[in-house]
Amino acid sequence: EAGVTQFPSHSVIEKGQTVTLRCDPISGHDNLYWYRRVMGKEIKFLLHFVKESKQDESGMPNNRFLAERTGGTYSTLKVQPAELEDSGVYFCASSPRENTEAFFGQGTRLTVV
Amino acid sequence: QKEVEQDPGPLSVPEGAIVSLNCTYSNSAFQYFMWYRQYSRKGPELLMYTYSSGNKEDGRFTAQVDKSSKYISLFIRDSQPSDSATYLCAMSGPDDYKLSFGAGTTVTVRA
Repeated sequence: EAGVTQFPSHSVIEKGQTVTLRCDPISGHDNLYWYRRVMGKEIKFLLHFVKESKQDESGMPNNRFLAERTGGTYSTLKVQPAELEDSGVYFCASSPRENTEAFFGQGTRLTVV
Repeated sequence: QKEVEQDPGPLSVPEGAIVSLNCTYSNSAFQYFMWYRQYSRKGPELLMYTYSSGNKEDGRFTAQVDKSSKYISLFIRDSQPSDSATYLCAMSGPDDYKLSFGAGTTVTVRA
């Protein structure tokens, strides 16, 4: 069974540009989460989808971040325009139900220069 | 004060030793406790998942939760060089699916 897959694995963009990260969860997992780890800090929650609906986006840093999950399958996280402080590793995770084991992808390392 | 405290280490042990890792937390609502292992440039891999207080064993790994002390532990017996990684504790509440992570402890097992 395929795990959680994230694309790209690494992205380097200039300040002010737009970047879109993609996450393909484990098939059949209704719950999809985005997390972020900035350098020297803990992994922090960004938002949670149940199927195609945003359940909680309280961790989103600001309105430059937009997450979507059309059709309840894969999800995208767009940063527009990117700032230097957005650099970090963005992780996606999925679980079959809430409060069950969450499985993480390998992460997308975003560098804004 | 951080919600979850974890000593970042690094921790270096000889092969075959017992590795002892722990986290403390401040939120008494936490009910679900997890340990993840993360190799360099990889995503966190779920090792242990426990609910409420008690012990759970899986092979060489034992997870303990003491809710009265707000303290969780992970023990790795007969450690191997392949156990060298960063170990992250994570936890969530009964109605809160968001995971709160510790900073992670870097472990090196010397052959």
